[in-house]
Amino acid sequence: NAGVTQTPKFQVLKTGQSMTLQCAQDMNHNSMYWYRQDPGMGLRLIYYSASEGTTDKGEVPNGYNVSRLNKREFSLRLESAAPSQTSVYFCASRVTSFFLGNTIYFGEGSWLTVV
Amino acid sequence: GIQVEQSPPDLILQEGANSTLRCNFSDSVNNLQWFHQNPWGQLINLFYIPSGTKQNGRLSATTVATERYSLLYISSSQTTDSGVYFCAALVQYSGAGSYQLTFGKGTKLSVIP
Repeated sequence: NAGVTQTPKFQVLKTGQSMTLQCAQDMNHNSMYWYRQDPGMGLRLIYYSASEGTTDKGEVPNGYNVSRLNKREFSLRLESAAPSQTSVYFCASRVTSFFLGNTIYFGEGSWLTVV
Repeated sequence: GIQVEQSPPDLILQEGANSTLRCNFSDSVNNLQWFHQNPWGQLINLFYIPSGTKQNGRLSATTVATERYSLLYISSSQTTDSGVYFCAALVQYSGAGSYQLTFGKGTKLSVIP
């Protein structure tokens, strides 16, 4: 059981380049999330998807787009990367169950540097 | 939106010491989770605790939802406990199933031998 898998783990981009961060979960969760983590800021929500085919903006959506094509996968796209998007990106998915309540599980993170 | 505040921001402990980390939140929440981010950046679930007390080995957590705070206790700390501890509040927004997790800024714990 892989849980939440993100790729790539590390990426260096030049300003203006585009790229897509991929995320997949094998836990049959409905909800998925993308966060970014910056020093001293905790984790901030970029976008989330409550279910397949739906997406909503979070706290810091500018400069990003997302796609939830199926239940397993939720991708984050940077159309024109900027140095301010240098960060660590985390994908997450949420389970709802009697025993676990609403519990969120995170991938291992993707370190992105924009130069 | 909801505000989540953690204290202290930094904590240095001698190995074997006990500590209490605090999390205050500004509004009612559906869930409160504690995470440990290890030095390699991995976020590990510690507790799902919307109310009451839970224990897992040397760690325990208490949430008093009516007073909008949660506490994480670490007893007999070990160097492997080092890292950043985050609390996060899960709040339901508009639309069925629309939950968002809002994080505090974390408490950085350093346990020295």
